[in-house]
Amino acid sequence: NAGVMQNPRHLVRRRGQEARLRCSPMKGHSHVYWYRQLPEEGLKFMVYLQKENIIDESGMPKERFSAEFPKEGPSILRIQQVVRGDSAAYFCASSPPSGPMRHFGQGTRLTVV
Amino acid sequence: GQSLEQPSEVTAVEGAIVQINCTYQTSGFYGLSWYQQHDGGAPTFLSYNGLDGLEETGRFSSFLSRSDSYGYLLLQELQMKDSASYFCAVLHGSGNTGKLIFGQGTTLQVKP
Repeated sequence: NAGVMQNPRHLVRRRGQEARLRCSPMKGHSHVYWYRQLPEEGLKFMVYLQKENIIDESGMPKERFSAEFPKEGPSILRIQQVVRGDSAAYFCASSPPSGPMRHFGQGTRLTVV
Repeated sequence: GQSLEQPSEVTAVEGAIVQINCTYQTSGFYGLSWYQQHDGGAPTFLSYNGLDGLEETGRFSSFLSRSDSYGYLLLQELQMKDSASYFCAVLHGSGNTGKLIFGQGTTLQVKP
């Protein structure tokens, strides 16, 4: 059973471009969570989704950021008009319908130049 | 607001025991989890306390006291490979599929 798959692992974008980060949860997992991590800091919750629904987006910036988890395909975290402050590691985690354990992907390192 | 406090750094020698404390202030507390992260890689689940008391998993144990808003992770028989960052995380909400709120992490350095 493959783990949580994130791609790309590394992404470089120029200021003003769009960044799309993908996350395929573990098989059988219906809950997806996105986190952002700056160097030497903890993981900051961004958004929690189930298939076709956003459950909690209290950690998402109000502008430029959006997330989706369609019926088919991976979850997507989209950042429009990136700025240098968006540079960070973005982690996706998934969990089964019940249970406290979260399985994390290897993350996408976004660098905005 | 929600906040978690844990020490920023801990150093110990191989074979020793180390305890990493975590205090939290949060509404909607459901349980306390611990995660390990090596060199910015994928965080990995270590343990979860939904009820007060001690949970033991091999060399690692975790404790929770809801009345004190306090928990700790205990690592025994330390090995060099245990050098990593350790995060406590509050499970928030009314069920165990809610969001995790992470502390800033404790960097553990294990010396020979």
